[in-house]
Amino acid sequence: AQSVTQLGSHVSVSEGALVLLRCNYSSSVPPYLFWYVQYPNQGLQLLLKYTTGATLVKGINGFEAEFKKSETSFHLTKPSAHMSDAAEYFCAVIHTGANSKLTFGKGITLSVRP
Amino acid sequence: EAEVAQSPRYKITEKSQAVAFWCDPISGHATLYWYRQILGQGPELLVQFQDESVVDDSQLPKDRFSAERLKGVDSTLKIQPAELGDSAMYLCASSVGSSYNSPLHFGNGTRLTVT
Repeated sequence: AQSVTQLGSHVSVSEGALVLLRCNYSSSVPPYLFWYVQYPNQGLQLLLKYTTGATLVKGINGFEAEFKKSETSFHLTKPSAHMSDAAEYFCAVIHTGANSKLTFGKGITLSVRP
Repeated sequence: EAEVAQSPRYKITEKSQAVAFWCDPISGHATLYWYRQILGQGPELLVQFQDESVVDDSQLPKDRFSAERLKGVDSTLKIQPAELGDSAMYLCASSVGSSYNSPLHFGNGTRLTVT
């Protein structure tokens, strides 16, 4: 079985401040991990993904995430928030075994204050 | 960049009525997914197609939901009869191959409101 936990449902930061969105995963086999962003009334857009290799992954719009196996975490960060980053962010996990399917967390809403 | 097309964008229907959603995946994408996203939650997989074949419909409420992808290209998701609890965003996604080695590309969804 596999799952992701996104603690809290809402994060608010000031423009220019650090963004940190937390994601912890559970998987019995090596996972692939993803972060997606969803703007209001739109579909999900892939921000970044971890498959194998380098544990620090860089994505679009200045976001990055670090896979930490010892902590079973894949937290999303951005050094300086922009107003356009306000959206909902979903962490997702899939394992590399047979019959695997992508499992999403509940999502975190990011608000950016001027 | 190619996109996944979905229609309609919004649908309001009365309970007990039938409703249908359409999806056209990115050309060449063999795998097509239908997800349901209830407000405040992450998407949940309803059905996955590989070409025209269903490979996973374990979470599809088959007493009222049906999905088809007759020619292995576009797909239709139907609900009959609709219930109040079906109000949600219905997202279609496609990928080149199986999702663990091929990221999903999502459409903008159909927001269904059942009154």
